[in-house]
Amino acid sequence: QVQLQESGPGLVKPSQTLSLTCTVSGGSIREGGYYWGWIRQHPGKGLDWIAYIFYDGFAKYNPSLQSRATISMDTSENQFSLNLASVTAADTALYYCARVYGSGSRAFDHWSPGTLVTVSS
Amino acid sequence: QSALTQPASVSGSPGQSITLSCTGTSNDVGAYNYVSWYQQHPGKAPKLIILDVSNRPSGVSNRFSGSKSGNTASLTISGLQPEDEADYYCSSYSTSISLLVFGGGTKLTVL
Repeated sequence: QVQLQESGPGLVKPSQTLSLTCTVSGGSIREGGYYWGWIRQHPGKGLDWIAYIFYDGFAKYNPSLQSRATISMDTSENQFSLNLASVTAADTALYYCARVYGSGSRAFDHWSPGTLVTVSS
Repeated sequence: QSALTQPASVSGSPGQSITLSCTGTSNDVGAYNYVSWYQQHPGKAPKLIILDVSNRPSGVSNRFSGSKSGNTASLTISGLQPEDEADYYCSSYSTSISLLVFGGGTKLTVL
């Protein structure tokens, strides 16, 4: 059973870079057929996808965040990461990492528990 | 404002069947059979319950079923149970630059 766990600071200052890492267990991120992605949820709001990446480094970004977001992989550690630059209070949200079907719906089928990141000075 | 439109709330009684709607455009819901549905209980991560319009992942109850007509996708929950009370989100692959779009979610209350 694939499990994901995000890690990173829960508090980030405005204008700084938010950095999160997702560690995958019970499966390899090199497994074909899946992307690995990040989604966020503002408090009391809906879901927004941020980016997803294939093990070969091919990545897709939500156009609304593309200029500030970078997703990367470390296959040796079975991890993938998100950097979000120049954060503001509007980036305060619950951040999830997830496995993504590589075709069809791009459905997120396994999720991390989620981590709250607050942007505040 | 979310790209896909979902009713903010619906309610039903135990044992009843209820249908949640998700309306998009010819660029997303209407373009492909690539609609997913997620269930989210308070304080929990979302759970995938339907993908590719009508396919259930392993382990998901067959009380959940999905369908699509034109630009509107639907999630039907039959034999409503108290534990079905949750938020439900739809998503769709899109031909637009957005690639993937979500609905704003529907809060299901089981009376």
